[in-house]
Amino acid sequence: AQSVTQLDSQVPVFEEAPVELRCNYSSSVSVYLFWYVQYPNQGLQLLLKYLSGSTLVESINGFEAEFNKSQTSFHLRKPSVHISDTAEYFCAVSDRGRDDKIIFGKGTRLHILP
Amino acid sequence: DAGVIQSPRHEVTEMGQEVTLRCKPISGHDYLFWYRQTMMRGLELLIYFNNNVPIDDSGMPEDRFSAKMPNASFSTLKIQPSEPRDSAVYFCASSFTLGYGYTFGSGTRLTVV
Repeated sequence: AQSVTQLDSQVPVFEEAPVELRCNYSSSVSVYLFWYVQYPNQGLQLLLKYLSGSTLVESINGFEAEFNKSQTSFHLRKPSVHISDTAEYFCAVSDRGRDDKIIFGKGTRLHILP
Repeated sequence: DAGVIQSPRHEVTEMGQEVTLRCKPISGHDYLFWYRQTMMRGLELLIYFNNNVPIDDSGMPEDRFSAKMPNASFSTLKIQPSEPRDSAVYFCASSFTLGYGYTFGSGTRLTVV
């Protein structure tokens, strides 16, 4: 069965510094990959997704993630974070070939330090 | 579209009482999911429906939990009797497909005292 590992439960970073949130999934022939963001007291919102094509995907608020098949990774990056990026970030994966449900990681809480 | 609508946003109830959480999925979405989120266990999938039929309820913690989807635009999650350990945020989500990406509601924060 598919699984997702988010190695860091919390990541503190200073405002305007770069950040990387790590995500690894168990190997599969073909997958869909997602990053969701949950702001305080809100539901999860889709931040970006990889379905096919270019391995680098971007969101409208400056985040990007790169699908690395050989490393089975889908790390999320932002070159300069803002206080409004404070949230919990969930990596998720589904097995495209099996048309299986999405499996979510345990989440990484991003703390922006002033 | 207003998105996935959940009600109530907050629910406080006494142990032993029946609790009913409600969800209206996005029109046209064939899949509906119920999740529970706690600090200790993170995000857990409880049950999901396809075309109003329950497909996988292996995540439902025990017989006190039940979920129904009487039509394409409405689902309920019921806990009877409720216990303090059921305190959590319950999310409903819907989707066109099983693995393509889900839209979440704002959640119901349940507190059982």
